[in-house]
Amino acid sequence: DIVMTQSPDSLAVSLGERATINCKSSQSVLYSSNNKNYLAWYQQKPGQPPKLLIYWASTRESGVPDRFSGSGSGTDFTLTISSLQAEDVAVYYCQQYYSTPPFTFGPGTKVDIK
Amino acid sequence: EVQLVQSGAEVKKPGESLKISCKGSGYSFTSYWIGWVRQMPGKGLEWMGIIYPGDSDTRYSPSFQGQVTISADKSISTAYLQWSSLKASDTAMYYCARHKPGLVPGGMDVWGQGTTVTVSS
Repeated sequence: DIVMTQSPDSLAVSLGERATINCKSSQSVLYSSNNKNYLAWYQQKPGQPPKLLIYWASTRESGVPDRFSGSGSGTDFTLTISSLQAEDVAVYYCQQYYSTPPFTFGPGTKVDIK
Repeated sequence: EVQLVQSGAEVKKPGESLKISCKGSGYSFTSYWIGWVRQMPGKGLEWMGIIYPGDSDTRYSPSFQGQVTISADKSISTAYLQWSSLKASDTAMYYCARHKPGLVPGGMDVWGQGTTVTVSS
């Protein structure tokens, strides 16, 4: 199985500042045949189900604010919130969906306001 | 509106059986993989398995293989997650979610509201 790790475990950022979350997979999730990274990012607020933010590592889901962006390829990925808003306080998870299941999640990164 | 609506909270005793449901609407239920995700109290997300309602093709995470059964009834656009003998460690929130379509199931773009399962003697 592909193991996903995230760093940091948590971070506190001032309103309007940048938040950066890293995700690493134990093997590449890049499909050479289509040059797509099979990596998604989710946001989960307390008491709510997760919400898809980013898929194919960098494609924003419809309706997601453009302050959220995803980057990276192969085994190393980043979710960036360019200007943190109060409503962005949440836990963020990466997930790989490369080839055969299981489609494992990372352990999560908690984002708070400083 | 595309949505997944899950069955209500359950309180069970160890050893009892349980089947929870996830009903899709607003889209072609048979054309998208449906996955199940566990979230234990205060913990992260664990991907359990998926089913393609069109042909009932089912895949499990090794961690959950043999522990649960995933099924679907496409005639009523409903997917199921069931246990034959619950344990206290099955206490968790369970989410169903639709995978984006593709040769390989994609990101999970529509989520149910979750079903809380509590197993206690």
